[in-house]
Amino acid sequence: GQQVMQIPQYQHVQEGEDFTTYCNSSTTLSNIQWYKQRPGGHPVFLIQLVKSGEVKKQKRLTFQFGEAKKNSSLHITATQTTDVGTYFCAGPSRETSGSRLTFGEGTQLTVNP
Amino acid sequence: GAVVSQHPSWVICKSGTSVKIECRSLDFQATTMFWYRQFPKQSLMLMATSNEGSKATYEQGVEKDKFLINHASLTLSTLTVTSAHPEDSSFYICSARPPRGARTDTQYFGPGTRLTVL
Repeated sequence: GQQVMQIPQYQHVQEGEDFTTYCNSSTTLSNIQWYKQRPGGHPVFLIQLVKSGEVKKQKRLTFQFGEAKKNSSLHITATQTTDVGTYFCAGPSRETSGSRLTFGEGTQLTVNP
Repeated sequence: GAVVSQHPSWVICKSGTSVKIECRSLDFQATTMFWYRQFPKQSLMLMATSNEGSKATYEQGVEKDKFLINHASLTLSTLTVTSAHPEDSSFYICSARPPRGARTDTQYFGPGTRLTVL
């Protein structure tokens, strides 16, 4: 079945350092979505990328969708303590109509002040 | 963005009892809702897809007789954990998907229900 892998599993940074998490799918994706889950909270939708090679920015966050639509990355510039949380990528399942999402394992980010 | 609520936010119950969790989409109609389970420091594992007016579709390995799902209206889906045991203790999260034709197929998550079975 479809697999979505994320690396690294954990990342500890000093406040002000940059952070990147990478997402790879075993199959081509129609789109990829990113979610953030704060400690003790629930996943919150960040963004959806649809086009091959697409790059989107949200303030200090930059999201990329690979040319082959099988990989994606999230880069945070100059991390802040408010960036703490687990970042998940997710892609629609090809086995069904596409409404199901397969989530990556997530990258847990901690930021030391 | 769309708002999804869950009730209760946490519940503690004795082994052998049943627990019902409600998931509501507050400002849109959701023909499809999803139920996930998340263990500490792990990813979200899809349990089932709940379709309004029809039977839920369960993922492989999820017991449909233990995790009863009812999606009786376009804004409400319920998950009942029957005869709960300590190994069922987990964080249960629902999500709702906007209807077909919406600009996005993203899922909007509820705040989750933390179930502890003693």
